[in-house]
Amino acid sequence: NAGVTQTPKFRILKIGQSMTLQCTQDMNHNYMYWYRQDPGMGLKLIYYSVGAGITDKGEVPNGYNVSRSTTEDFPLRLELAAPSQTSVYFCASSWNPLEDKPYNEQFFGPGTRLTVL
Amino acid sequence: AQSVTQLDSHVSVSEGTPVLLRCNYSSSYSPSLFWYVQHPNKGLQLLLKYTSAATLVKGINGFEAEFKKSETSFHLTKPSAHMSDAAEYFCVVSSGTYKYIFGTGTRLKVLA
Repeated sequence: NAGVTQTPKFRILKIGQSMTLQCTQDMNHNYMYWYRQDPGMGLKLIYYSVGAGITDKGEVPNGYNVSRSTTEDFPLRLELAAPSQTSVYFCASSWNPLEDKPYNEQFFGPGTRLTVL
Repeated sequence: AQSVTQLDSHVSVSEGTPVLLRCNYSSSYSPSLFWYVQHPNKGLQLLLKYTSAATLVKGINGFEAEFKKSETSFHLTKPSAHMSDAAEYFCVVSSGTYKYIFGTGTRLKVLA
């Protein structure tokens, strides 16, 4: 049981380039999330998904896109990278519908540190 | 509507002294409450969670939190700080659905 995995761990992009941050979970969770964390700050929600084929915007969605074709995967796409997107990106997941748990914590991946120059 | 307020952005304690990190919440429903810890350059790790079974919740590494409905608080405590406790701590509230509201974090510094 690997939990939530993210790739890559680190990446440097040039302004205008694009990339996809990968996130996979093996806990059969319905809910998945992308957050960004700027230096010394808390987490801001970019996008979330409540199930395969269903996604919605969070607080700071501009400049990003997501898709959810399977329960396990929730990739985050950056188009036309900008210096303002320099951040650490965390993927998280929660809620296995087969488990009878009324309170469900989020499980976080180790993060992707992205620098845009 | 839900919200969470971490009352201190920075807390400094001496090693071996008690730790108190304060969290107040607002929720229209019976909330789920969580504390996460983030060590420097690491991901977020769950410390403990309130599940309504008991108001005093024990977590990992000797941390505890007490759910006080009348005060809408969920403060995190530890009797004796260790150098390894230096980290950022986040209080999180959820109504039990897919929405989680994060506090702004408290940075704990432990002095030798």
